[in-house]
Amino acid sequence: GQNIDQPTEMTATEGAIVQINCTYQTSGFNGLFWYQQHAGEAPTFLSYNVLDGLEEKGRFSSFLSRSKGYSYLLLKELQMKDSASYLCAVRDSNYQLIWGAGTKLIIKP
Amino acid sequence: TAGITQAPTSQILAAGRSMTLRCTQDMRHNAMYWYRQDLGLGLRLIHYSNTAGTTGKGEVPDGYSVSRANTDDFPLTLASAVPSQTSVYFCASSPVGGENTEAFFGQGTRLTVV
Repeated sequence: GQNIDQPTEMTATEGAIVQINCTYQTSGFNGLFWYQQHAGEAPTFLSYNVLDGLEEKGRFSSFLSRSKGYSYLLLKELQMKDSASYLCAVRDSNYQLIWGAGTKLIIKP
Repeated sequence: TAGITQAPTSQILAAGRSMTLRCTQDMRHNAMYWYRQDLGLGLRLIHYSNTAGTTGKGEVPDGYSVSRANTDDFPLTLASAVPSQTSVYFCASSPVGGENTEAFFGQGTRLTVV
C-alpha cells in the first residue's frame, strides 16, 4: 500500500529552527509537496520537490532524497504565525496526491 | 480574485437526508478534486475529475457522487447521509500538465450528520 509518515506533533521556540520529516512509500513518484494548514483553514502550498536536493524559499526550505523516500521541511527564524499543521504529499504514478496526516507545529514564545 | 469557492461553509444534516456540496473555480483548471479531512488522518480523496465530462473514484468514494458538466463546477452529492460522513470536506483544483502543478483549495465545508 501507499504510505506517508510524519510526526504527529512538534514543539519549537520562537526564533529557532525546526525540521519536519516526511518518509514515503508510494506507487511511483512524480514530485513531493509541502502544504501549510492553519486551524480551521484550507491547506496552502509551500514547496515542491521533484529532484534530489534542497529548495530554498525565504525562511522555508525543503529537501528531497528519492533513493531514501525522504523529505524534510526546514523552517528558520520561527514566528508565532508559523503555528500550523504541515502536510506532506506525494504525487504517485497516476498523478494522484497521497497525503500524510500532517504535523502540528506548536511555537512557544 | 475568487479562486475556488465552496458552499455552504458548514451544515448540520439529518441522517438519511441528501445534500449537495457546491464547488466553483474561476482559474480554468482542468483537474478538480474532493477530499475529506478527519482528525488524525490525512486528506483522503473521494472523487476527482481530470477534465470536464469525466470523473473518477478516489480512495473513499462510497456514499458520494460527483458530476463535471463544465470546467468551473464540481458538486459533491451525498445521496443518503450517515454519521460517518461527518467531516470537513475540501474541494481543490489544479492545472494539468507541467511539473509544478500544485493544488489550490477551497475554504472547506464542515458537515455534521446527526
